[in-house]
Amino acid sequence: DAGITQSPRHKVTETGTPVTLRCHQTENHRYMYWYRQDPGHGLRLIHYSYGVKDTDKGEVSDGYSVSRSKTEDFLLTLESATSSQTSVYFCATITPGAGNTIYFGEGSWLTVV
Amino acid sequence: AQRVTQPEKLLSVFKGAPVELKCNYSYSGSPELFWYVQYSRQRLQLLLRHISRESIKGFTADLNKGETSFHLKKPFAQEEDSAMYYCALSGTGGGNKLTFGTGTQLKVEL
Repeated sequence: DAGITQSPRHKVTETGTPVTLRCHQTENHRYMYWYRQDPGHGLRLIHYSYGVKDTDKGEVSDGYSVSRSKTEDFLLTLESATSSQTSVYFCATITPGAGNTIYFGEGSWLTVV
Repeated sequence: AQRVTQPEKLLSVFKGAPVELKCNYSYSGSPELFWYVQYSRQRLQLLLRHISRESIKGFTADLNKGETSFHLKKPFAQEEDSAMYYCALSGTGGGNKLTFGTGTQLKVEL
């Protein structure tokens, strides 16, 4: 599992409230990613990080921000949650030495009501 | 731009029948291709990579650059193969990002 843990695993929140999801890894991986999974869309990249304080946008970054103040933690923040952000969020890291294979966390189920 | 297409949302086969999950890609360079599997409400797990040319759980996939395809195959489906399967592509752009297809739900019936 590449030492990836996500928290919270399940959350219900109200529209308009801020939400932060945390991804923690213990393997000192440089790259970290946040994806969202939705029926009919597969997984889509929200943001990714290639080092401490180095982040970049993915294909569906609107409404999301990220921060990486230390190697092991990558935070995803929904500034003002909307119902369209109800989804399953997966954190992932990459092991460059293993053919650039990406490993995923267990997912965070977020419902915005 | 890179794109991955999985044309089937659902594939239903009987136990013991052959399975082929289709994946086509669009990429101008030399891609790395992967198949991931997701069992009900669990994390995505790497099934195989085209670079390693290995067989996992009886599944194989061959990269066909002429047809830009990376179809996943298994000669005899098992009940435990029922899951969601995602094809993914990693290009040579920065960030080692994966682009996923929309997934195919495989249902193996008895």
